Amino acid sequence: ETGVTQSPTHLIKTRGQQVTLRCSSQSGHNTVSWYQQALGQGPQFIFQYYREEENGRGNFPPRFSGLQFPNYSSELNVNALELDDSALYLCASSLGTANTEAFFGQGTRLTVV
Amino acid sequence: GESVGLHLPTLSVQEGDNSIINCAYSNSASDYFIWYKQESGKGPQFIIDIRSNMDKRQGQRVTVLLNKTVKHLSLQIAATQPGDSAVYFCATRGQGWGKLQFGAGTQVVVTP
Repeated sequence: ETGVTQSPTHLIKTRGQQVTLRCSSQSGHNTVSWYQQALGQGPQFIFQYYREEENGRGNFPPRFSGLQFPNYSSELNVNALELDDSALYLCASSLGTANTEAFFGQGTRLTVV
Repeated sequence: GESVGLHLPTLSVQEGDNSIINCAYSNSASDYFIWYKQESGKGPQFIIDIRSNMDKRQGQRVTVLLNKTVKHLSLQIAATQPGDSAVYFCATRGQGWGKLQFGAGTQVVVTP
């Protein structure tokens, strides 16, 4: 186990709704990155948070937003859900922004119907 | 554009044999190359990484080789075990910060 926990594990939402996914980082880790993994594909970088600030963003629209809290836990918010948002959402924590040894949670499986 | 790709979608290996998983990348500015293992229902698990100024690095039963001339990365697993059955991803990191660019993955199936 990595010590990174995500909730919920599974979620079903209707197109147009909003969703919030949560991540608790491994103890001592100050950096959280979020990834979207479509079925049969590799994870795609959404954004990274370091010490409560966004530290970089991938090619995702503004309706994907996030937060990081003082305890370094994080949220991913997606507004106006689309069917193509159905995917596994992964949170990875690391010590520092440049650390390649990121520890992933088990993911949240989001289904948009 | 930047891309990371794998040569084979599925690799079938007999238990006890060595496995070799290959990966091609296009971004020559990458400074780290990383291998992850993802078992069904779990998040990716870090296996090993290699810095761009190295060409070989060994871990426990695994070896990563980097050929920057042809932009090729490989992961060798010695004495493959049933527990090695998973999807393996290579990933690259741009210089200095943590965005990882993942490839599509190779499914490794270990047969008895």
